[in-house]
Amino acid sequence: GEDVEQSLFLSVREGDSSVINCTYTDSSSTYLYWYKQEPGAGLQLLTYIFSNMDMKQDQRLTVLLNKKDKHLSLRIADTQTGDSAIYFCAERGGSQGNLIFGKGTKLSVKP
Amino acid sequence: GAVVSQHPSRVICKSGTSVKIECRSLDFQATTMFWYRQFPKQSLMLMATSNEGSKATYEQGVEKDKFLINHASLTLSTLTVTSAHPEDSSFYICSARGLEREGRTDTQYFGPGTRLTVL
Repeated sequence: GEDVEQSLFLSVREGDSSVINCTYTDSSSTYLYWYKQEPGAGLQLLTYIFSNMDMKQDQRLTVLLNKKDKHLSLRIADTQTGDSAIYFCAERGGSQGNLIFGKGTKLSVKP
Repeated sequence: GAVVSQHPSRVICKSGTSVKIECRSLDFQATTMFWYRQFPKQSLMLMATSNEGSKATYEQGVEKDKFLINHASLTLSTLTVTSAHPEDSSFYICSARGLEREGRTDTQYFGPGTRLTVL
């Protein structure tokens, strides 16, 4: 079945780059997403990428997609303390067109 | 991006009562809305999918008589937790699928979530 895997924790220093990795299993997924969740809050869509793209950049965020390896990554340049949150990778693949989420990567940014 | 609201943001109730949670898409029409449940430090689990004007489709293991979903209009879906018990305590998040104008891609936008605590 469909499955999305992420590492659970990442710790970086302020100003460094953060790279959050994700693997998925459904090769027919057309869209892949990154969401950010701050404590006690809902999910904020950060960015998404079409499956026919290799890279997408949006300000400090860069998404890389390796479709052959079913690997997705999110790079945050110049990471700030305000970037501390849980980041969820998701693929659109459910029978209802719903999103399948990874368990989330908790990003901690140290000053 | 599009805005989805949820109400209430937090509710505490006694065991046996029913709780209604509203999900609204504020600036777009959502033909499909999704209801997710999130346990502490865990990912989101899809509970059900609702399409405007039709019955909701529930995921395996989710009791449809326990979690009543009504999608009465293109901007409103409600989830009612009937006869709530402490094990129903959780963070409930809705999302609405709308059209991303710039990319012409339908994207899911999430509400801020509702924290339900059943005593």
